Amino acid sequence: NAGVTQTPKFQVLKTGQSMTLQCAQDMNHNSMYWYRQDPGMGLRLIYYSASEGTTDKGEVPNGYNVSRLNKREFSLRLESAAPSQTSVYFCASTLKEGGLSEQYFGPGTRLTVT
Amino acid sequence: QQQVKQSPQSLIVQKGGISIINCAYENTAFDYFPWYQQFPGKGPALLIAIRPDVSEKKEGRFTISFNKSAKQFSLHIMDSQPGDSATYFCAAYYTGNQFYFGTGTSLTVIP
Repeated sequence: NAGVTQTPKFQVLKTGQSMTLQCAQDMNHNSMYWYRQDPGMGLRLIYYSASEGTTDKGEVPNGYNVSRLNKREFSLRLESAAPSQTSVYFCASTLKEGGLSEQYFGPGTRLTVT
Repeated sequence: QQQVKQSPQSLIVQKGGISIINCAYENTAFDYFPWYQQFPGKGPALLIAIRPDVSEKKEGRFTISFNKSAKQFSLHIMDSQPGDSATYFCAAYYTGNQFYFGTGTSLTVIP
């Protein structure tokens, strides 16, 4: 079990460039999430997908799009990167069992927009 | 609006001491309260979690205390060790919805 994997680990973009962050999980979880982490602000939800075929906005969706490609994969796209999107991005998936929901995180993608 | 408020932002504790991190919430619909531990360069990992039908949960040196009437919960790390130095996040969740995270506490345990 690889758990939650993310690619790339690091990325530098120029303002206006686009890119897609990839996330995959091999735990057969239904729900998947994208967060950004900034100093002093904790983890803020960008988008989530409660199940294959559905996506919902989180707290900070502007400037991002997502695709739930299948049950395993959930990608995050920046169409026109801005310096304000410099952050560490985490993908997560959730196991719901016996009324509890445990969230598993990937290792993160460190993105710098210049 | 911050759904979960966490304090302090940073904490320095001597080895062997007790580390205490506090969180407060407003939404009484929350029914699951996890704590995550994050080391530099890594993703957060679940440390311990509690449901609101119990007032305390202990796993080794880590204890969650939960006060439903005050809408507060806290993480206690007993006999703190340098290896506990990390960032800790509290969170709240209600079934079918999303997780809401606190802003994090950077813990440093001095040898």
